[in-house]
Amino acid sequence: QQQVKQSPQSLIVQKGGISIINCAYENTAFDYFPWYQQFPGKGPALLIAIRPDVSEKKEGRFTISFNKSAKQFSLHIMDSQPGDSATYFCAASKTQKLVFGQGTRLTINP
Amino acid sequence: GAGVSQSPRYKVAKRGQDVALRCDPISGHVSLFWYQQALGQGPEFLTYFQNEAQLDKSGLPSDRFFAERPEGSVSTLKIQRTQQEDSAVYLCASSILGAISYEQYFGPGTRLTVT
Repeated sequence: QQQVKQSPQSLIVQKGGISIINCAYENTAFDYFPWYQQFPGKGPALLIAIRPDVSEKKEGRFTISFNKSAKQFSLHIMDSQPGDSATYFCAASKTQKLVFGQGTRLTINP
Repeated sequence: GAGVSQSPRYKVAKRGQDVALRCDPISGHVSLFWYQQALGQGPEFLTYFQNEAQLDKSGLPSDRFFAERPEGSVSTLKIQRTQQEDSAVYLCASSILGAISYEQYFGPGTRLTVT
């Protein structure tokens, strides 16, 4: 059973554009929703995270939008840059254990 | 060190061999996690320690997998009688707090290839 579903699998965006990645979850007990960025050969790096008591969180060019009633959350990358090209994972947690989505391979064209 | 470190970075094992993978968490971090990441997939939870106590091992795929953290810092993931399906990247993460969901910081992983 896939508890966290992520889309799209791959995404190509022009430099300067907005990249949007979506996730949906099933377990309403989840209380922590992070996004990770992973480059080839590296471990996932925490980008930004949100808790379900807020609907949006912004850190620099990265924004999480959270819709508790729809059980969905999304990552928006503003002014996307070639250096943002990586695989992005959403995740959800209730008791420390992270459940990851399948990942989105993002390519930013110069 | 500043981050989570793992060793070895790469390990090739013949089917049937035992392997041991090491994780050094960020100093002072209470919680330590092991995840398995198959090629092209998201990480999947294996097990979790709070200090030296193994609180959740529900993700370990079989009794060939064993993890320990005897002194509450360094952890070792051991895989006995490796099989080809064990080939994956094994990621370790640590977190400063023990009681609530909080930020987990990952190491670079150990890529295990079973031939």
